[in-house]
Amino acid sequence: GEDVEQSLFLSVREGDSSVINCTYTDSSSTYLYWYKQEPGAGLQLLTYIFSNMDMKQDQRLTVLLNKKDKHLSLRIADTQTGDSAIYFCAERNTDKLIFGTGTRLQVFP
Amino acid sequence: GAVVSQHPSWVICKSGTSVKIECRSLDFQATTMFWYRQFPKQSLMLMATSNEGSKATYEQGVEKDKFLINHASLTLSTLTVTSAHPEDSSFYICSARTVYGTDTQYFGPGTRLTVL
Repeated sequence: GEDVEQSLFLSVREGDSSVINCTYTDSSSTYLYWYKQEPGAGLQLLTYIFSNMDMKQDQRLTVLLNKKDKHLSLRIADTQTGDSAIYFCAERNTDKLIFGTGTRLQVFP
Repeated sequence: GAVVSQHPSWVICKSGTSVKIECRSLDFQATTMFWYRQFPKQSLMLMATSNEGSKATYEQGVEKDKFLINHASLTLSTLTVTSAHPEDSSFYICSARTVYGTDTQYFGPGTRLTVL
């Protein structure tokens, strides 16, 4: 089956790093994505990684992919209050995106 | 670039009426658009895949006669919820996929539908 799992909630102090984890089951996924959703809004693409890569860094964001364990993580450095949102990982399966359950990140001062 | 709009942002309607939601790619052409549904505090569930000029492909369990999808041009897809009922109340989000590059999906801001 196609299951993408995430922890439900993460709380961090402003300025610390946040690490959001995701596990997926489809080893044939070509791309894996991270999206951010603020309350009442659509999804904003943050970053993506191709399945033959181990790591990708984009400013404050670092994506790590462990294909053997089917584990994906998103690290946000110097987390700010504006980073508070729900973060979804997604795997691309042929034409479709399969979304994770979402992780609510709360940043406190 | 890669902006997707949806209209309306929110809509309240009476049970039994039909509601049309538009999804537009504003600055790129999208041969494929996707329609998702999101219940409160839940993930996105794909309803259907819409290809320009052809019939939409619906996911298992989604009634095609209830959720009518039209993708008449490379920049516009519409979702019509027919004979809406309170259980259709949800957040509907569309996405559009570019025809080049990494085929990334870009998402609209969503439409909140409330059926009374």
